[in-house]
Amino acid sequence: GQQVMQIPQYQHVQEGEDFTTYCNSSTTLSNIQWYKQRPGGHPVFLIQLVKSGEVKKQKRLTFQFGEAKKNSSLHITATQTTDVGTYFCARTGNQFYFGTGTSLTVIP
Amino acid sequence: DSGVTQTPKHLITATGQRVTLRCSPRSGDLSVYWYQQSLDQGLQFLIQYYNGEERAKGNILERFSAQQFPDLHSELNLSSLELGDSALYFCASSVQPGQGSAEAFFGQGTRLTVV
Repeated sequence: GQQVMQIPQYQHVQEGEDFTTYCNSSTTLSNIQWYKQRPGGHPVFLIQLVKSGEVKKQKRLTFQFGEAKKNSSLHITATQTTDVGTYFCARTGNQFYFGTGTSLTVIP
Repeated sequence: DSGVTQTPKHLITATGQRVTLRCSPRSGDLSVYWYQQSLDQGLQFLIQYYNGEERAKGNILERFSAQQFPDLHSELNLSSLELGDSALYFCASSVQPGQGSAEAFFGQGTRLTVV
């Protein structure tokens, strides 16, 4: 139905390693958004992807939207301790349906 | 600061009680969404209001209800509380739903503990 699945649920990386989280939908998405929730905080909007195959970068973060608009990924290069948190994708329309989230732990 | 205000920040109450969580959306946003986040869980969509009217319902229990007032603030009422209702409750707001560039702005959340 409306849900988007994210994998992995948890990821532990050494500082400096790369990290990727994947978001998958069984239906075509009109667009996809990504949010970050720091420990003890609230979700904060990062970016929106709209076009098929779209790639956007924010410093060390790279966001991709699949060609079929059914999946998306967030890749972080050379993680830092400030990257710790849970990353959610969200399908949008009249509501925001959030993925299950990937919790990232960065080990210094 | 997202511009979305939630009160109270923390709430501790006993089983069987009723509580009201309050949310003031970002200035100009007509849509308000309520989410429940349990420990290490995702964001479960509860309900959405748009300009005072209920727009969509998610996994909201019958013991829970919400409303949006003419000044656009919203309240989430939780009754006959159970231990399992302990969670972080977020309110989010956005411009008119369906607009291409709409993003959700979240409040700081209300942490509810039922004892």
